[in-house]
Amino acid sequence: AQTVTQSQPEMSVQEAETVTLSCTYDTSENNYYLFWYKQPPSRQMILVIRQEAYKQQNATENRFSVNFQKAAKSFSLKISDSQLGDTAMYFCAFMKRGPGGADGLTFGKGTHLIIQP
Amino acid sequence: GAGVSQSPSNKVTEKGKDVELRCDPISGHTALYWYRQSLGQGLEFLIYFQGNSAPDKSGLPSDRFSAERTGGSVSTLTIQRTQQEDSAVYLCASSFVRLAGGTSSYNEQFFGPGTRLTVL
Repeated sequence: AQTVTQSQPEMSVQEAETVTLSCTYDTSENNYYLFWYKQPPSRQMILVIRQEAYKQQNATENRFSVNFQKAAKSFSLKISDSQLGDTAMYFCAFMKRGPGGADGLTFGKGTHLIIQP
Repeated sequence: GAGVSQSPSNKVTEKGKDVELRCDPISGHTALYWYRQSLGQGLEFLIYFQGNSAPDKSGLPSDRFSAERTGGSVSTLTIQRTQQEDSAVYLCASSFVRLAGGTSSYNEQFFGPGTRLTVL
């Protein structure tokens, strides 16, 4: 079984600052995916970024980037030039990469990120 | 294009009653997932359907929970004899899964807006 840990229940930064959300995980699997999802008050889960474990290069999506440290089982999310619309719950998630390519996600408890004007 | 839809958006029921929650996945998506989001437990995987294969029920918390997927499309999650601890947001997600040659490919799960269930 996998576990995902997010140690920061809440974070608050000023608009335009850079913020890093932490995530660690535990697994015996070698092939897997890691994700960051955003959930605004509307409840809609939105994929922010993903990382395949076999890729050494850190994923980036515009202002969002990750620091993936496979040996340390760490997967942090960096948000640059933060915007008011980034205010949301952020969930780190793990998915085993199986022959079917589909599996249930294991989520962390989430970090509530507040961007202050 | 239409995303994943869920109904109802909110459901209030009395303890002991049965409830049915509905999920309409994105057209053409072969895989469908149910998750539960509660204050105490966070986000938990419940069940996963892939095509016509037997569902992976490993996350269902008790035998009061069951789910069906008719015709490989719409799914209903049924909770019998509801308890107060069943109060949560129930999220559905779908993805397209291609099964070929033993290789897997990344398949993003697209989530619906959820159903908030309150058991009084």
